[in-house]
Amino acid sequence: NAGVTQTPKFQVLKTGQSMTLQCAQDMNHNSMYWYRQDPGMGLRLIYYSASEGTTDKGEVPNGYNVSRLNKREFSLRLESAAPSQTSVYFCASSENHSMNTEAFFGQGTRLTVV
Amino acid sequence: GDSVTQMEGPVTLSEEAFLTINCTYTATGYPSLFWYVQYPGEGLQLLLKATKADDKGSNKGFEATYRKETTSFHLEKGSVQVSDSAVYFCALSRLSDYKLSFGAGTTVTVRA
Repeated sequence: NAGVTQTPKFQVLKTGQSMTLQCAQDMNHNSMYWYRQDPGMGLRLIYYSASEGTTDKGEVPNGYNVSRLNKREFSLRLESAAPSQTSVYFCASSENHSMNTEAFFGQGTRLTVV
Repeated sequence: GDSVTQMEGPVTLSEEAFLTINCTYTATGYPSLFWYVQYPGEGLQLLLKATKADDKGSNKGFEATYRKETTSFHLEKGSVQVSDSAVYFCALSRLSDYKLSFGAGTTVTVRA
């Protein structure tokens, strides 16, 4: 039962470097999300994809781009990493984008930008 | 905008103690309310939810009741175990766009 799989689990970047965080789900979910978790701030939505072929900005999209590659995969790209992007990143998926639907989360990627 | 406020931690308890984590929300209308739990080194998982006023969500001995009068969704467990040590997040699903808004999280440590 893989659920939501994120890679890598840990990453250290230098300021200005780029990287892509990968996420895949095997539950045939329509909707996928990227969050960042910072101490004392809970989780904040970066981008989401309500269905295959669509993406929308969340609360904190600046400095990030996303690609919904297919129904299973949703990647997050940092084009030029900044120390402010040091965080734990979570990918999540849900059956659909509606009010009562449960979200399933990956194990997270701990990113440090130095 | 819609938001969630939950009690700050950390909370440290002994086994078999009673746990309460307060959560209040601000929202237009009646959003769905959730409690998620994050065990060490893992992602978040849904603990329980309530979708309308006076609903009670329950799971693994945890309960929370959707109180529209006090705009609250407090989490309770009567007798905690060491395995309940985790970070607990209160969240709501916004009526406007269905996005989840999370509280800051409360770290709970249960000692044997």
